[in-house]
Amino acid sequence: KAGVTQTPRYLIKTRGQQVTLSCSPISGHRSVSWYQQTPGQGLQFLFEYFSETQRNKGNFPGRFSGRQFSNSRSEMNVSTLELGDSALYLCASSLHGQVLYEQYFGPGTRLTVT
Amino acid sequence: GQQVMQIPQYQHVQEGEDFTTYCNSSTTLSNIQWYKQRPGGHPVFLIQLVKSGEVKKQKRLTFQFGEAKKNSSLHITATQTTDVGTYFCAGARMDSNYQLIWGAGTKLIIKP
Repeated sequence: KAGVTQTPRYLIKTRGQQVTLSCSPISGHRSVSWYQQTPGQGLQFLFEYFSETQRNKGNFPGRFSGRQFSNSRSEMNVSTLELGDSALYLCASSLHGQVLYEQYFGPGTRLTVT
Repeated sequence: GQQVMQIPQYQHVQEGEDFTTYCNSSTTLSNIQWYKQRPGGHPVFLIQLVKSGEVKKQKRLTFQFGEAKKNSSLHITATQTTDVGTYFCAGARMDSNYQLIWGAGTKLIIKP
């Protein structure tokens, strides 16, 4: 079974630009969660999508948005990039939801904002 | 606000020594998950604990969930270089709206 894939793996953007990251979950998994990871902040939860609906959202500004498609693939968008958005963005898929089911993480997209 | 406190932030051990990380929640948890992230890697699921007082073992790793379901620990016996990484706990509140609350992680460092 193929694992969680994320594209692109690395990205360099300029402040003020926007970016879209993609995540393909494990086949059959209906839940996709997104996390931001920075060296000093650990794993910060962004949002979770389940069957195309956002089920939960962390404490991030509205510049961070996401969506999930009918095939469970998910995208995350960050508009008006700031220097502080530089981080590793991880997505994780689970069978039915992050709370009761183990999450499988992708390799992440490392975003650098200059 | 809802928090899961994880301590210590770092632990330096000699190879062969034991390692323990603790997670404490201000509210009762329905379950807790543990993940390991190797340097340069992504988090990998280790285990989930659901029952009060539950103890689970995976070879040299022992996981415990407190009787009150507010705390949990991971203990590694006789650490090896392959144990290096950051260990995260993630708990779900009893009244959770499907969201896990993550600890900040404990980084295990093996002294040369």
